[in-house]
Amino acid sequence: NAGVTQTPKFRVLKTGQSMTLLCAQDMNHEYMYWYRQDPGMGLRLIHYSVGEGTTAKGEVPDGYNVSRLKKQNFLLGLESAAPSQTSVYFCASSPSGAWGYTFGSGTRLTVV
Amino acid sequence: GIQVEQSPPDLILQEGANSTLRCNFSDSVNNLQWFHQNPWGQLINLFYIPSGTKQNGRLSATTVATERYSLLYISSSQTTDSGVYFCAVDTNSGGSNYKLTFGKGTLLTVNP
Repeated sequence: NAGVTQTPKFRVLKTGQSMTLLCAQDMNHEYMYWYRQDPGMGLRLIHYSVGEGTTAKGEVPDGYNVSRLKKQNFLLGLESAAPSQTSVYFCASSPSGAWGYTFGSGTRLTVV
Repeated sequence: GIQVEQSPPDLILQEGANSTLRCNFSDSVNNLQWFHQNPWGQLINLFYIPSGTKQNGRLSATTVATERYSLLYISSSQTTDSGVYFCAVDTNSGGSNYKLTFGKGTLLTVNP
């Protein structure tokens, strides 16, 4: 039982490049979330999904897009990376949105 | 949006000491959770505690929803308790848009 798996774990991008972060969960959870963590800022919600085929904006959605074509996968895209997007990205899933959160191990992204 | 303030921002303890971490929030909440992020970055859900008191081993938590605060108690601290403790809340009282807003965390260091 893998839980929540994030790929890749590390990535260095040049400004203007694009990439996709993949989050996969094997717990049949309905809710999935993407957060970013910056020093001294806690975790801030980027986008989230309340079920397959749905997405919604969180607190800091600008510069990111998401898709949830399959229930088990939640993709986070950066179309044109900027240095301000240097951060650690965490994916989480929950069966109900209210409890039972499971986090992935994070993706450390550096944009130069 | 709701404001979540955690105190103290940093705390250093000797192994065996007890501690209390506080979380204040600016609005009524229907969900409050405590998380621990270990020094390797992994986030673990400690408590789902929108009100009342819960205990799990050496850790316990109390939420007084009417006064808009929650406390996390750590007794007989161990070096493995080191890391960042986050409080996260949700004001959603219905529908399906459940999402957590995190505080900035308390960095706990337990020295041997």
